[in-house]
Amino acid sequence: GQSLEQPSEVTAVEGAIVQINCTYQTSGFYGLSWYQQHDGGAPTFLSYNGLDGLEETGRFSSFLSRSDSYGYLLLQELQMKDSASYFCAANNAGNMLTFGGGTRLMVKP
Amino acid sequence: DAMVIQNPRYQVTQFGKPVTLSCSQTLNHNVMYWYQQKSSQAPKLLFHYYDKDFNNEADTPDNFQSRRPNTSFCFLDIRSPGLGDAAMYLCATSVGGSTDTQYFGPGTRLTVL
Repeated sequence: GQSLEQPSEVTAVEGAIVQINCTYQTSGFYGLSWYQQHDGGAPTFLSYNGLDGLEETGRFSSFLSRSDSYGYLLLQELQMKDSASYFCAANNAGNMLTFGGGTRLMVKP
Repeated sequence: DAMVIQNPRYQVTQFGKPVTLSCSQTLNHNVMYWYQQKSSQAPKLLFHYYDKDFNNEADTPDNFQSRRPNTSFCFLDIRSPGLGDAAMYLCATSVGGSTDTQYFGPGTRLTVL
């Protein structure tokens, strides 16, 4: 089967840096995506890693190590609006996504 | 703006009463997906269409059916909703490559009484 593991909850303060880790076991792996979902809202795409290394998009960066079956999402200069759930997802053949269980990030003042 | 639209946003049905959820897209994407998301859980893929080719996930209950009459529209039919089917139902689209971003609609929250 396919599975992705990520912490269920993370708490941080405004202005801080937080890292959300994701380990995966999946076949037909093309890459790792990250999605953000606010309560009651739809998942929105944040980042994708098809190759090993770091991808940076503004305050958010994502990293992938295929040899370690591991990736992370790094959020810098945290803002209150970053409080949301963050899902890692494995891209498989045919652009199927297998989601991790989600990490609920709470940003405190 | 190009987007994924779901109607209705909130749907209440009675136990066993058939319900249809709809999704439309203006992105002209080849692939459309239906996900079920229960509270505090990850989205779970139910079906996807690549153009008109229908693909059913192995563990999707028979109670769930889908139709895609054209590129723009896709429907999710729940033939006999049970209490366990109460969830958010998310529609998504993508161009179709294995690394393409999926674009999600706002979801339909289904309540079963």
